[in-house]
Amino acid sequence: GAVVSQHPSRVICKSGTSVKIECRSLDFQATTMFWYRQFPKQSLMLMATSNEGSKATYEQGVEKDKFLINHASLTLSTLTVTSAHPEDSSFYICSASSRGSGTGYTFGSGTRLTVV
Amino acid sequence: DAKTTQPTSMDCAEGRAANLPCNHSTISGNEYVYWYRQIHSQGPQYIIHGLKNNETNEMASLIITEDRKSSTLILPHATLRDTAVYYCIVRVPQAGTALIFGKGTTLSVSS
Repeated sequence: GAVVSQHPSRVICKSGTSVKIECRSLDFQATTMFWYRQFPKQSLMLMATSNEGSKATYEQGVEKDKFLINHASLTLSTLTVTSAHPEDSSFYICSASSRGSGTGYTFGSGTRLTVV
Repeated sequence: DAKTTQPTSMDCAEGRAANLPCNHSTISGNEYVYWYRQIHSQGPQYIIHGLKNNETNEMASLIITEDRKSSTLILPHATLRDTAVYYCIVRVPQAGTALIFGKGTTLSVSS
């Protein structure tokens, strides 16, 4: 089946630094990728949608200059948290879908970000 | 996407069937019912989906009422590894649009 690899699984960074999270579709081409954020004991919240080769579409309230998303190829999307602060500490999850598959959403295993 | 209502939490004994309900009274004719689950600190996992007929796969069964206003996900023989948050999502399948998650049901399976 379709596999999405997300790295790193957990990262600790100092306040003010940037962190990059990678999301790769291993055995299919992902025309669209989605990034979610999940705080403890809460549901997944959609942050942005990215289509290969175009700018990401951010949900209301998500700062596009803080959460940089790049989807330069059909198998790789990256989320960079710039100038991270402790309130950015969260569980970040990516998801990928392929063209023509309305039901085929595959999720990465998530990245636990802790900003100290 | 139609709104869904699920119980906050449920308990189930290991080996017994777990029946997770979902209410979607405003579902429209072309919306499917999807179920995903999220085990702690992992990404969501697809379980099953259906339009109006009951569906079964190796993981679970999905029972949709005739009026399609509610459905039940059935895990026939729950194990400890089925402890997770279960999400019922109702939507029109459309490539390129994101899944929107509600609060889901926390299922706790105990021995």
